[in-house]
Amino acid sequence: GAVVSQHPSWVICKSGTSVKIECRSLDFQATTMFWYRQFPKQSLMLMATSNEGSKATYEQGVEKDKFLINHASLTLSTLTVTSAHPEDSSFYICSARTQDSPLHFGNGTRLTVT
Amino acid sequence: GNSVTQMEGPVTLSEEAFLTINCTYTATGYPSLFWYVQYPGEGLQLLLKATKADDKGSNKGFEATYRKETTSFHLEKGSVQVSDSAVYFCALMAQAGTALIFGKGTTLSVSS
Repeated sequence: GAVVSQHPSWVICKSGTSVKIECRSLDFQATTMFWYRQFPKQSLMLMATSNEGSKATYEQGVEKDKFLINHASLTLSTLTVTSAHPEDSSFYICSARTQDSPLHFGNGTRLTVT
Repeated sequence: GNSVTQMEGPVTLSEEAFLTINCTYTATGYPSLFWYVQYPGEGLQLLLKATKADDKGSNKGFEATYRKETTSFHLEKGSVQVSDSAVYFCALMAQAGTALIFGKGTTLSVSS
């Protein structure tokens, strides 16, 4: 079946540095990818919607200059957390779909900013 | 706006007990409804779905019926197993192709 690979699965970085998270669709072309953020014991909050070849659409309250999303190909989207701070520590999850399929999710990335 | 409310956990059950996890939604139009499961250390997996009123989604012994009159999509299983221990998320998709909107998740712990 369809698989979405997310990398890295966990990362620790120092405050002020940037971190890139990759999301790849392994056996299908993902026309749309979604990035979510999950706080402990809370729901997944949609951060942005990314369509291949176009700029991402960010949800209200999400800083587009801080969370850079690139969807350069039909199989790869990246989320870069720029100048990370401890409050950015969270669990980030990507999901991807083709035009006529349900969403498939990556296993998530645990980001810890020290 | 669109939202999903599901019962707070954790839910703790003995093996072979009956499970109900309540989920209600608020949405305009006719959303599709989903249950996802997240096992420890793993990503989200689609458990079942229903796309229109009165549809029943089922998988692995779990069932949920799309009730438009009560705006609900409660998850049920007649006899839970230890391997069902996980976090369960109710979600809706307001329109085809749009992002999922999730509830807060309910942790289920089943003991033998």
